[in-house]
Amino acid sequence: GAVVSQHPSWVICKSGTSVKIECRSLDFQATTMFWYRQFPKQSLMLMATSNEGSKATYEQGVEKDKFLINHASLTLSTLTVTSAHPEDSSFYICSARDDGGPGNTIYFGEGSWLTVV
Amino acid sequence: AQSVTQPDIHITVSEGASLELRCNYSYGATPYLFWYVQSPGQGLQLLLKYFSGDTLVQGIKGFEAEFKRSQSSFNLRKPSVHWSDAAEYFCALIKAAGNKLTFGGGTRVLVKP
Repeated sequence: GAVVSQHPSWVICKSGTSVKIECRSLDFQATTMFWYRQFPKQSLMLMATSNEGSKATYEQGVEKDKFLINHASLTLSTLTVTSAHPEDSSFYICSARDDGGPGNTIYFGEGSWLTVV
Repeated sequence: AQSVTQPDIHITVSEGASLELRCNYSYGATPYLFWYVQSPGQGLQLLLKYFSGDTLVQGIKGFEAEFKRSQSSFNLRKPSVHWSDAAEYFCALIKAAGNKLTFGGGTRVLVKP
């Protein structure tokens, strides 16, 4: 089946630094990708919709200058957490919509654990 | 606006017993419906999806779901659960012409030996 790969799976960074998370669709093209944040024992919270070749669309309350999203190709979107602080520690998950698949099937990556110390 | 409700936050089932997870949605037309499973600390895996046609959908890992328009439901079932089925299950929908997934709150399944 379709595969979405996230890297890194785990990252620890110092407070004030920036960290980049990659999301790749390995065997399909994805004009649209999505970034989520998930707190323990909760459902996924959509942060932004990433569109290839254009600016991302952020959900209400999500700081676009803090969570930079770049979707430079049909198989890669990146999320950069800038000036990270401990409250940014979380599980971040990306997903990608298969351009060539039936309907609007969306596949998810494995997630990335971010810990800011 | 569309919404998805999973009435059961937790379900405990004995290994080998049957499992049914409830999902109700609110949307003016027939949406695209999905079930995903999330094991602890991992991403989401697509179990099955419904777009149109046969209302009983077969998925991976022995799961199936039935779309019932009259009840606005898309319940997930498995005849005999295995210990490895312990996980969080999410029901989700996409509007026919839209992109974003709308998730239910999730149901955590615990499997007793």
